[in-house]
Amino acid sequence: GQNIDQPTEMTATEGAIVQINCTYQTSGFNGLFWYQQHAGEAPTFLSYNVLDGLEEKGRFSSFLSRSKGYSYLLLKELQMKDSASYLCAFLSGGYNKLIFGAGTRLAVHP
Amino acid sequence: KAGVTQTPRYLIKTRGQQVTLSCSPISGHRSVSWYQQTPGQGLQFLFEYFSETQRNKGNFPGRFSGRQFSNSRSEMNVSTLELGDSALYLCASSSDSYNEQFFGPGTRLTVL
Repeated sequence: GQNIDQPTEMTATEGAIVQINCTYQTSGFNGLFWYQQHAGEAPTFLSYNVLDGLEEKGRFSSFLSRSKGYSYLLLKELQMKDSASYLCAFLSGGYNKLIFGAGTRLAVHP
Repeated sequence: KAGVTQTPRYLIKTRGQQVTLSCSPISGHRSVSWYQQTPGQGLQFLFEYFSETQRNKGNFPGRFSGRQFSNSRSEMNVSTLELGDSALYLCASSSDSYNEQFFGPGTRLTVL
């Protein structure tokens, strides 16, 4: 079957680093996405990993290990505006079918 | 470039009615996917259209249907509404397969 797990909630301090983990199980895998979603808003794209390794984009980095079915999103120099839900999703099989995790609600405190 | 637009933004219906939601993708994007987001189930894939053809479908009952027009705009329809259909319906557009999907602001449907 298909399964994707991530922690429900995390808290962190402004200026710190936080790592949000995501594990998945699927027979057909075509890449892993991370989205950010602020309350009441649409998800916005953060990263897309197809190959193993680390992709860095400013304060955000994403890592993928296909053999372990594991990804993480690393947020550096946390800001209050980073308080949001972070959604992990993999592309299942063909085309554009995204299977989402339940999301990790991150609260950044001063 | 204008983003993905969805209309209406808010909708209130009663059980048994039917509803049609609209999505206009980013100019040049031919793929439109629809998702349902609820607090209990999170984001769930409904279906995806590319060049007017449904290429993929999620595990939703036949009451949920959709279509795509030649200009890539897409509509989804829900017939015989149930209370459990209350949700945020999001559409996402993409230029092609395996590419970044850009989400619209969503339509908040409330079924009374």
